Amino acid sequence: GQSLEQPSEVTAVEGAIVQINCTYQTSGFYGLSWYQQHDGGAPTFLSYNALDGLEETGRFSSFLSRSDSYGYLLLQELQMKDSASYFCAVRQAGKLIFGQGTELSVKP
Amino acid sequence: EPEVTQTPSHQVTQMGQEVILRCVPISNHLYFYWYRQILGQKVEFLVSFYNNEISEKSEIFDDQFSVERPDGSNFTLKIRSTKLEDSAMYFCASRGTSSRGSYEQYFGPGTRLTVT
Repeated sequence: GQSLEQPSEVTAVEGAIVQINCTYQTSGFYGLSWYQQHDGGAPTFLSYNALDGLEETGRFSSFLSRSDSYGYLLLQELQMKDSASYFCAVRQAGKLIFGQGTELSVKP
Repeated sequence: EPEVTQTPSHQVTQMGQEVILRCVPISNHLYFYWYRQILGQKVEFLVSFYNNEISEKSEIFDDQFSVERPDGSNFTLKIRSTKLEDSAMYFCASRGTSSRGSYEQYFGPGTRLTVT
């Protein structure tokens, strides 16, 4: 079977740092992606890790450990507009397998 | 910035009817996908399409589903005889040739399908 586990919800305050973890068990792995979704709208690409280590893009960073089947998304200097659902997704060849999503609420 | 577009934004249909969901992928992209998301749940892969044929399909994508690229710009998903459980948001996505170290699928805004 295939499974991706991530927390269902996280709450943080503006300006804080939050980490959203993702563990996966899949048959076949090319890389781990992160997507943001506001209110059921289009998932928007945030980052992709094919190799172990940290990728940084502005306020967002993503980490992957292939040996631990684990990754995380780190959001820094949180803003109200970061309130959204965040999905990890395993790339298997030409498709994405999504996790259940983490609902992030940013409070003032 | 180029974007994936989808029509209609909302489709209501009766059980047993056929529906066609339409997508215009980003113009220079070569790989096309359909995903669906039942309200409050995760995004699920349905099918991938490349070089005018299906590359891969999920268990959800049974004989009631079909995809087509009828011309150089449109990409369609047809559901032949809709069921209540087909009610979901359907997302189209497209991808160009991967740049080094990256893999990004661009998603459209979705079509909300409601089957009554």
